[in-house]
Amino acid sequence: QVTLRESGPALVKPTQTLTLTCTFSGFSLTNSGMCVSWIRQAPGKALEWLAIVDWDDDKHYATSLKTRLTISRDTTKNQVVLTMTNMDPVDTGTYYCARTNMGRGDFSLDYWGQGTLVSVSS
Amino acid sequence: IQLTQSPSSLSASVGDRVTITCRASQDISSYLAWYQQKPGKAPKLLIYAASTLQSGVPSRFSGSGSGVDFTLTISSLQPEDFAAYYCQQLDSFPLTFGGGTKVEIK
Repeated sequence: QVTLRESGPALVKPTQTLTLTCTFSGFSLTNSGMCVSWIRQAPGKALEWLAIVDWDDDKHYATSLKTRLTISRDTTKNQVVLTMTNMDPVDTGTYYCARTNMGRGDFSLDYWGQGTLVSVSS
Repeated sequence: IQLTQSPSSLSASVGDRVTITCRASQDISSYLAWYQQKPGKAPKLLIYAASTLQSGVPSRFSGSGSGVDFTLTISSLQPEDFAAYYCQQLDSFPLTFGGGTKVEIK
């Protein structure tokens, strides 16, 4: 069965770099049509899509955060890593990773991790 | 592409028919998904391709629309349906979400 789990620090200081890891099972990111996205949600706010990496190692980013984000994959470990530089208190929130199976014909997110809460504070 | 959901919140009773709308800032064909999120939980995919029900989702949920205007309908609201609902456009990068609709108990 498909599972995803986010891991990373619960607390980072302003200006630091955040590194989050999504460890998944039940599918391979080398199989055609598979993608993993990162999404975040500030407390009490809406979902915000951040980045995606696909089976071909193509990557796309949210326009407003593009200069701060890097997404990468390790297919041997079944992991996707997101780094976000120059963290600010407004980046506080829950960070999710989620899978896309393009076999459905679009980039909808059918499996999600439980999320990891990241607080940015000095 | 911007997505505008309305209303941002609504109060309804069990058994009510509920409709949530999502308007895109440009034509996205049928590349729209709907998600349900309960407090403290990850979102759950309800509908993709604007109107296709994800496996395991109750048939009281339905989606319609194409182009710029889309609708999520819950035909008879159940206690477990009180949650937040989000639309997401899948037509082009960057993928974007609507602002959400919170469905509360009247």
